[in-house]
Amino acid sequence: EAGVAQSPRYKIIEKRQSVAFWCNPISGHATLYWYQQILGQGPKLLIQFQNNGVVDDSQLPKDRFSAERLKGVDSTLKIQPAKLEDSAVYLCASSLGRGIGTEAFFGQGTRLTVV
Amino acid sequence: AQSVTQLGSHVSVSEGALVLLRCNYSSSVPPYLFWYVQYPNQGLQLLLKYTTGATLVKGINGFEAEFKKSETSFHLTKPSAHMSDAAEYFCAALLYGDDKIIFGKGTRLHILP
Repeated sequence: EAGVAQSPRYKIIEKRQSVAFWCNPISGHATLYWYQQILGQGPKLLIQFQNNGVVDDSQLPKDRFSAERLKGVDSTLKIQPAKLEDSAVYLCASSLGRGIGTEAFFGQGTRLTVV
Repeated sequence: AQSVTQLGSHVSVSEGALVLLRCNYSSSVPPYLFWYVQYPNQGLQLLLKYTTGATLVKGINGFEAEFKKSETSFHLTKPSAHMSDAAEYFCAALLYGDDKIIFGKGTRLHILP
């Protein structure tokens, strides 16, 4: 079974530039998560989709971050404009969806460095 | 609001010694609980999970964890540490019906030769 695919693996941009990350979840997984993991910290949920609808985006900085999941499969996360504090690893994860104890499966992440 | 607390951002044990990583949750309803491991430049890999039933859960690589409702804890243990266990470990909780997985801040495990 293929895992969660993310690209790119690494990205370096200057502040105020824009960047986009892509995620392809495990086939059949209804729930998709984007997490931000700052060095030395645990993953922080940015946004959660159930199919193509947003379930939770309460911690997404909406003035600069946006995400979409067209057709309920792939997803993109965009930052525009980027700030220095956005430097982090962005993790995409997917799960089967609402149910008892459905764990999330993670991609390898995209490491973003804003200079 | 639910939260997950991991005691100790760094833990060092000698090779062959017992590993104990602590995790406590705060939730009015016992959540589903997970331990993930993260190796450098990698995503998170599930070690084990507790949903319902037996409170002692066995996972991969010889790890196990025990859910204790009275202590709101889900500590991770391994009887004998191996050098390959050096990594960052995250405890996570998921509330039934919520689907939002909340992570602790992580514990970096160092194995001393």
